Amino acid sequence: SQQGEEDPQALSIQEGENATMNCSYKTSINNLQWYRQNSGRGLVHLILIRSNEREKHSGRLRVTLDTSKKSSSLLITASRAADTASYFCATDGGTSGSRLTFGEGTQLTVNP
Amino acid sequence: DTEVTQTPKHLVMGMTNKKSLKCEQHMGHRAMYWYKQKAKKPPELMFVYSYEKLSINESVPSRFSPECPNSSLLNLHLHALQPEDSALYLCASSQDPAGGLAQHFGDGTRLSIL
Repeated sequence: SQQGEEDPQALSIQEGENATMNCSYKTSINNLQWYRQNSGRGLVHLILIRSNEREKHSGRLRVTLDTSKKSSSLLITASRAADTASYFCATDGGTSGSRLTFGEGTQLTVNP
Repeated sequence: DTEVTQTPKHLVMGMTNKKSLKCEQHMGHRAMYWYKQKAKKPPELMFVYSYEKLSINESVPSRFSPECPNSSLLNLHLHALQPEDSALYLCASSQDPAGGLAQHFGDGTRLSIL
């Protein structure tokens, strides 16, 4: 079964606005990561939040984690056209820490 | 530019061909991964190499054969593929196979099976 589900599937906003993407997962995790993928490119790691953390910031990114609800959110503030990409959450848990399971992803379009 | 280099960027092959995908990293990472990604879908893990040894095989058909000649190189040998194997194949590496670390991805090889 799919570990991570993300919503919305697609999000279109204007430059300067904030974008929020949500991720839900089913089983216990050790940590949760967010990745960005530009069209035709590989994934780029954005941020990692551990299961004992509730919030983490990196530049314009803010990630929250609620293990009781098995959910995480990624907030991108003051969005730019260059933020247009697909965003995936990935969970890392259980007995095999190397195994990342990705959510379905959110396609973000930032209009100039 | 990514720190994980994959070649070729594009590959078209017939179902009877044999080809190989290559991946290289010089970050000293000890875990390397192969993923398969279909259009508009998330990456799906295929194989994990930990300290040059195969540690995870996600029940991948034997027509895909991974190889890790040394700590910097990862190959994926392809033989008798099917049209449904057409996808983007991504290689990734991480500093340690224990997990809890970022994975660094290459830009992938886009594979088309005729």
